[in-house]
Amino acid sequence: KAGVTQTPRYLIKTRGQQVTLSCSPISGHRSVSWYQQTPGQGLQFLFEYFSETQRNKGNFPGRFSGRQFSNSRSEMNVSTLELGDSALYLCASSLTGRSIYEQYFGPGTRLTVT
Amino acid sequence: AQKVTQAQTEISVVEKEDVTLDCVYETRDTTYYLFWYKQPPSGELVFLIRRNSFDEQNEISGRYSWNFQKSTSSFNFTITASQVVDSAVYFCALMPNSGGGADGLTFGKGTHLIIQP
Repeated sequence: KAGVTQTPRYLIKTRGQQVTLSCSPISGHRSVSWYQQTPGQGLQFLFEYFSETQRNKGNFPGRFSGRQFSNSRSEMNVSTLELGDSALYLCASSLTGRSIYEQYFGPGTRLTVT
Repeated sequence: AQKVTQAQTEISVVEKEDVTLDCVYETRDTTYYLFWYKQPPSGELVFLIRRNSFDEQNEISGRYSWNFQKSTSSFNFTITASQVVDSAVYFCALMPNSGGGADGLTFGKGTHLIIQP
């Protein structure tokens, strides 16, 4: 079974630009979560989608948004990029709906904002 | 609010030594799940274990073992006879059961484990 895939793997953007990252979950998984990893803040929860609905969002500004499609693929968007948005963005998929299952992570997208 | 503390920022041991990574958590939820993940230099988080708060039985998987003690809010991870390939950053994480998976994982800051040959 193929794992979680994320595209692109690396991205360089300029302050003020916007960026869209993509995540394809493991086949059959309906929940997709996004995390930001930085040296200073560590791993932080961004948001979670299940059945095309955002069920929860972490403590991030409105510049961070996302969506999930009917095939469970998900995208996250960051508008008006700031230098502090430079991070590894990880996507995780899970079977979960009502129960807690393991979250399987993708390789991440490393975003550099200059 | 949840909190996970991994007090050991970095541990360095010589190959074949046993090593224990500590994890202490805080939560107001009565039911929750605890996880351990491994992050090798490649960056991808690798799932190691999931433990329900109701199940305090210790678990062993090969050279890996986990000690869950609800009384001390700890979920420690031991690697027996460590190998160079075990070198990575290890994260302990917590998720409340109430949200059905919607709340996301709360991670500790991670422990960088270095196994020297």
